[in-house]
Amino acid sequence: EPEVTQTPSHQVTQMGQEVILRCVPISNHLYFYWYRQILGQKVEFLVSFYNNEISEKSEIFDDQFSVERPDGSNFTLKIRSTKLEDSAMYFCASSVDQGPQETQYFGPGTRLLVL
Amino acid sequence: GDSVTQMEGPVTLSEEAFLTINCTYTATGYPSLFWYVQYPGEGLQLLLKATKADDKGSNKGFEATYRKETTSFHLEKGSVQVSDSAVYFCALGSGGYQKVTFGTGTKLQVIP
Repeated sequence: EPEVTQTPSHQVTQMGQEVILRCVPISNHLYFYWYRQILGQKVEFLVSFYNNEISEKSEIFDDQFSVERPDGSNFTLKIRSTKLEDSAMYFCASSVDQGPQETQYFGPGTRLLVL
Repeated sequence: GDSVTQMEGPVTLSEEAFLTINCTYTATGYPSLFWYVQYPGEGLQLLLKATKADDKGSNKGFEATYRKETTSFHLEKGSVQVSDSAVYFCALGSGGYQKVTFGTGTKLQVIP
């Protein structure tokens, strides 16, 4: 069964460094998402992406975050200058279409630790 | 804004016990409702969903009914197994691009 994959599974970085989290969505999906889960807290929506544009973003998704689909298969989340509070599990998700009938399929996550 | 409230965990049950995890929501419009499950060390997996009022989602013996009048989507299973031990997230999908709003998650531990 097709699945969303994410790399790396774990990443440790120093505060102020840039990180890029990578995702390969399911191949026929057109809508892509990033979520994060700070330890012990809710899974929070960050951004949705369609047709090479951000379609919606949360207040968390400030100027230090960016997303890109650099080729036909990868979908990346970049954090330009990491802060301690960026430490979290980051989930990528994808869906075939938008709307209430659609299901988002999630990847296994990347655990980011900022020291 | 949209929100999901689910019962606090952890929930500890003996094998073959009946499970209920309560979930209520607040949303504008007509959201879709989901239960996701996260097994230890793994990502979020869709367990079941319902897209309109009175729909019942079911999978692997779990079921939940979309109750618009009580804004609820409680998860039930008649007889839990040790392998059901996981964190269960109630969620709703809304908006044009189907942003998913999650509850805090309920950890279920099933003991033999």
